[in-house]
Formats: sequence, C-alpha cells, structure tokens
Amino acid sequence: DTGVSQNPRHKITKRGQNVTFRCDPISEHNRLYWYRQTLGQGPEFLTYFQNEAQLEKSRLLSDRFSAERPKGSFSTLEIQRTEQGDSAMYLCASSLGPRSRSGANVLTFGAGSRLTVL
Amino acid sequence: QKEVEQDPGPLSVPEGAIVSLNCTYSNSAFQYFMWYRQYSRKGPELLMYTYSSGNKEDGRFTAQVDKSSKYISLFIRDSQPSDSATYLCAIGRGGGFKTIFGAGTRLFVKA
Repeated sequence: DTGVSQNPRHKITKRGQNVTFRCDPISEHNRLYWYRQTLGQGPEFLTYFQNEAQLEKSRLLSDRFSAERPKGSFSTLEIQRTEQGDSAMYLCASSLGPRSRSGANVLTFGAGSRLTVL
Repeated sequence: QKEVEQDPGPLSVPEGAIVSLNCTYSNSAFQYFMWYRQYSRKGPELLMYTYSSGNKEDGRFTAQVDKSSKYISLFIRDSQPSDSATYLCAIGRGGGFKTIFGAGTRLFVKA
C-alpha cells in the first residue's frame, strides 16, 4: 500500500469552470476525510465518510461542493462554478473506523490537490 | 473564538536549540491530542499522538497535555535543520469524527 493518493496534484482553472479531485485512501481504512487548507492556515474540515456514507458536512461546504465515495473505496470532490475564493489546497485523509477508538483519530494525509482559480 | 489557537510564528532558532510549540483549546470534550508536521507543498504527517493529560516522549520529541488548563505543547530537543517545517496541533474526540487543527507554527532551524 502506497498511502493516500490524490490526483491531480495541481489544477489551474478559470472562474466558473467545474473541477473534480480524486482521492484513493489506504485500503484498510474505512474513514475518509476532505480538508481545505489556505496559505498560512491549518486544514479546515469539509466532510467525512464512513465507508460509503457521508456522515458530516461542514458549513464551509456550499452547495457548489459535492463529495462522493461510491462503494466505500475512492472518493471524489467536485467543485462547480469555481470562484477565486476556492483557490486552496484540498487535502484528503483516511483513518481506521470507530471500533479502533484511538486509530480513528490518527489521520493519514495525501499530498493534496492544489487548486488555482484564475 | 476558535476551537484551537496556535501562534503562527514564524519561529527561528539555531541548530541544537530546544523548541517549544504551544496550543490552547476551548472545549474540554476533546480527549485526543495530536501534533502533525507539514513540509512545504506536502500533506501533514502525524508526529505525536496522546490521549488525555500527561507527557509522551518519542526520541527528540515530547508532547505534553494539560487538560486542566486546556494547553498542549510540543518540545523538540537538539533541533536540526531538517526539523524546519510547519507544526500543526490537532484535537479530536473519542470515536473519530472530525479532527480540528490549529493554524500551524512555521519553524526555521538555522544551521
């Protein structure tokens, strides 16, 4: 297992276009998280999945954002009608589920997908 | 008030110095306390993980949690230039759910 994989690493798009990011978590992990990180800030929680179920969404996740995790494996994060304020690093992380009480809090991050909206 | 407060720095120290990084948090419901290290243009990686109050040591790194004052610290002994990175404190609740991160402190260790 090579860890958490994210693609693309960098996406440059024009305002108003749609973009999609993909995350492949560690195979044994059934939890998957999306975070957003802007320059000089820590990661901000967006949403997370337990297997294929999306269990929590942050208020940061406007209706232009949608995340899916079909079949509980990889996940996609789509941003529609991008705005310049969406420019950020989008981080995906995975962890063990709640049966591993301590492991559920240990997140393994991918390298991130950097979005630049012109 | 943010749930986790962390001084963003930057913090610049000479090689070999002892580094102290700190965070405060506001909600006593949090039981898990983590420190992540993030190099430029990389994702965060877990450095230290503690549950409840007390100290935990791993090599040159010591994590300290004081739940009574809602204060968490990371100490780095004999700091090296390779320790230059952003250090993020993070808090979590039992069972997982979302992990909340501080803003991160940028550390520069000069050779």
